[in-house]
Amino acid sequence: QQQVKQSPQSLIVQKGGISIINCAYENTAFDYFPWYQQFPGKGPALLIAIRPDVSEKKEGRFTISFNKSAKQFSLHIMDSQPGDSATYFCAARGGANNLFFGTGTRLTVIP
Amino acid sequence: GAVVSQHPSRVICKSGTSVKIECRSLDFQATTMFWYRQFPKKSLMLMATSNEGSKATYEQGVEKDKFLINHASLTLSTLTVTSAHPEDSSFYICSARAGGLNQPQHFGDGTRLSIL
Repeated sequence: QQQVKQSPQSLIVQKGGISIINCAYENTAFDYFPWYQQFPGKGPALLIAIRPDVSEKKEGRFTISFNKSAKQFSLHIMDSQPGDSATYFCAARGGANNLFFGTGTRLTVIP
Repeated sequence: GAVVSQHPSRVICKSGTSVKIECRSLDFQATTMFWYRQFPKKSLMLMATSNEGSKATYEQGVEKDKFLINHASLTLSTLTVTSAHPEDSSFYICSARAGGLNQPQHFGDGTRLSIL
């Protein structure tokens, strides 16, 4: 059973545009929601994270929006650049230290 | 930032061979280390969690006798795939965390294992 559902599976955005990736979860015990960026052949790198007591967090061009009542959170990449082309994973942390990952979104930013 | 080094980055070996993958935290003490498996274009699946000096906790469906995990020090964990077969071919990724739940997980760059 997929604990965290992520969409879209793939996304193509023009350079300078906004990339939006959405995730949803069911377990209200999740207490930490990170986003990871993964380039081919590399491990995931923590991009930005949010806790459920905050509705939005912004770091540079990256923003997480969090809707606790809807159990949804999203990543917005402003002014998307070709260098942002990667696979993005949302995740949620539950009990016993576990991180549950979404299925990933392959982002392609075209010049 | 925190660095997790994983070695080797790629290994190709014959069926029946045992393969050891090392995961090191280079600039922090990793109280907890995690091992994940990732299939092509798929998400990361947690295999096991290990705390330094303790036996690893395996996720449901992961054979502990097949995937041996040792976390003997605060900077090193190893995953040994015993008697590897082609179906064990995958991308294995470790991550490490210092301290408690409020600390982030830092990931290694993964090991591409190919069993012929």
